Amino acid sequence: DAGVIQSPRHEVTEMGQEVTLRCKPISGHDYLFWYRQTMMRGLELLIYFNNNVPIDDSGMPEDRFSAKMPNASFSTLKIQPSEPRDSAVYFCASSWTGYNEQFFGPGTRLTVL
Amino acid sequence: KNQVEQSPQSLIILEGKNCTLQCNYTVSPFSNLRWYKQDTGRGPVSLTIMTFSENTKSNGRYTATLDADTKQSSLHITASQLSDSASYICVVTGTGGFKTIFGAGTRLFVKA
Repeated sequence: DAGVIQSPRHEVTEMGQEVTLRCKPISGHDYLFWYRQTMMRGLELLIYFNNNVPIDDSGMPEDRFSAKMPNASFSTLKIQPSEPRDSAVYFCASSWTGYNEQFFGPGTRLTVL
Repeated sequence: KNQVEQSPQSLIILEGKNCTLQCNYTVSPFSNLRWYKQDTGRGPVSLTIMTFSENTKSNGRYTATLDADTKQSSLHITASQLSDSASYICVVTGTGGFKTIFGAGTRLFVKA
């Protein structure tokens, strides 16, 4: 298996633009997690899905952030409109169950100018 | 308030030496505790996962211990190698909704 796949790896955009990050989890994993990592705040859980259904989105910082999982092999995290403080590395992770080891993707480094 | 605190913030050791990283948490009720290794520019990789009933878990040269009574965990690295240079993150998950709290990490530098 190729592991968790994220795209793009790097994204540079201007304030106010829409940004869409993509994730393909490991096949067979029922849980998908979106994280954000910054120097100031470390790793933060934004939202997680179980069987494509959002379970807990309490970590989503604002209404500008939204996440979807239309099927078991694809998820998106959208920021609209983007702001400079959204600059961070966004990780996607998947696991078989909520308590099992989570496998992280390589991350998307987002820079909002 | 649920918290996870790691110490030290950073650590420099010589190749071949042992070291121990600490993690104290207040998450309750507790489900599991994980240690991750994160190389610069990469996603975290799981080293160990321990539940309430487990006291120790090993993964090669990495050994994690857990004292659920005192809410403390440690990660011991034996015979360090240059490739051990990374951030080590302690992650605690509570029950009921997988509420997950991340520690700030310990940055380990292994020097030749």
